[in-house]
Amino acid sequence: DAGITQSPRHKVTETGTPVTLRCHQTENHRYMYWYRQDPGHGLRLIHYSYGVKDTDKGEVSDGYSVSRSKTEDFLLTLESATSSQTSVYFCAISESREDIQYFGAGTRLSVL
Amino acid sequence: KNQVEQSPQSLIILEGKNCTLQCNYTVSPFSNLRWYKQDTGRGPVSLTIMTFSENTKSNGRYTATLDADTKQSSLHITASQLSDSASYICVVSRLNYGGSQGNLIFGKGTKLSVKP
Repeated sequence: DAGITQSPRHKVTETGTPVTLRCHQTENHRYMYWYRQDPGHGLRLIHYSYGVKDTDKGEVSDGYSVSRSKTEDFLLTLESATSSQTSVYFCAISESREDIQYFGAGTRLSVL
Repeated sequence: KNQVEQSPQSLIILEGKNCTLQCNYTVSPFSNLRWYKQDTGRGPVSLTIMTFSENTKSNGRYTATLDADTKQSSLHITASQLSDSASYICVVSRLNYGGSQGNLIFGKGTKLSVKP
């Protein structure tokens, strides 16, 4: 998975609790992305980062926040998880916005 | 609206047979088109990427075609193997994108099952 590690791989949590997902890369790529994948939908962009402390919102950013304090780490936080955030979350990286994106193995999150 | 439509939604073929997956898009302005393979429980992996000027690109038994005039692409798999069972996702990249959708527009994928 192109030097990308997502943690945890699986998580079950309760509605209203905060959750943080981590993406770690060893490729030194500038761009990092968080997507969610749900049945009946294509991959949808949540947030992305174009450098340390440089982030921007994606298509489905409501209820999510991100942080990037180091080139290699991109964190996705659900401040107060809801059942609608049950999904599979993928991190991706790329050298530039136009380059191929390499995806991590995903985190399966269930919010009960 | 920027959209990528894939067909069929799912497909079952016998091992050794060929198949073709379709992708139609309405993304503008167009930058490039990508095909990804996603195995169950894994992240997508890039198969091909084609720019406006390329109309065919191969990666082993996978051959992608692009008709930028009709905004259609296809992915042809030759002599299928059991390991080809996966979802295949068509992704179109926008040039000089704007807005929160990002520069990549993802199709919903075609789920291919190869049976022995």
